[in-house]
Amino acid sequence: SQTIHQWPATLVQPVGSPLSLECTVEGTSNPNLYWYRQAAGRGLQLLFYSVGIGQISSEVPQNLSASRPQDRQFILSSKKLLLSDSGFYLCAWSVQSGDEQFFGPGTRLTVL
Amino acid sequence: AQSVTQPDIHITVSEGASLELRCNYSYGATPYLFWYVQSPGQGLQLLLKYFSGDTLVQGIKGFEAEFKRSQSSFNLRKPSVHWSDAAEYFCAVVFTSGTYKYIFGTGTRLKVLA
Repeated sequence: SQTIHQWPATLVQPVGSPLSLECTVEGTSNPNLYWYRQAAGRGLQLLFYSVGIGQISSEVPQNLSASRPQDRQFILSSKKLLLSDSGFYLCAWSVQSGDEQFFGPGTRLTVL
Repeated sequence: AQSVTQPDIHITVSEGASLELRCNYSYGATPYLFWYVQSPGQGLQLLLKYFSGDTLVQGIKGFEAEFKRSQSSFNLRKPSVHWSDAAEYFCAVVFTSGTYKYIFGTGTRLKVLA
């Protein structure tokens, strides 16, 4: 069966520090991968999605970037965190675009 | 413009009562439709989905949803709510032109009274 992992589960970082959040998927090949940010009362905002290794689409201009160095690995990064980067970050995968998405457990990021 | 609306931010029901959560979309054709549930501090889990065919869809945990084309709605229902249903519920829509991008509603937080 397929599983999706995210780490760390929680993270507290100072403003201006770098960020690296990792997401890995097991039990499937060539998945579509997604990064979302969830702010209280604002639903899910799609940040990045990827349909293959090295293929990243950015949905919202921001302080973040994403990479997909391996088929089932998706990394969210920042060189310098802002206070506004605080939130709950969710990674998800799907077999193809428009299909059901399977979500990881999320990372709670607090920028102080 | 293509959009998804969940008009109720919070809903409170008593255990055993029926539940209906609303979802409306704005789109010229029939989209793909989903309902997800999120427990506090966790990821989202799919409850049910609609692509085509029978407009009444059965899901997990006793939930069902009905697609009404004339009203551009996909409301989620449960005949008898359990305390464990307390969570946040998200409607999601995929507009089937272009990149098949997901758009999530802003969510409805459900509180269940004992």
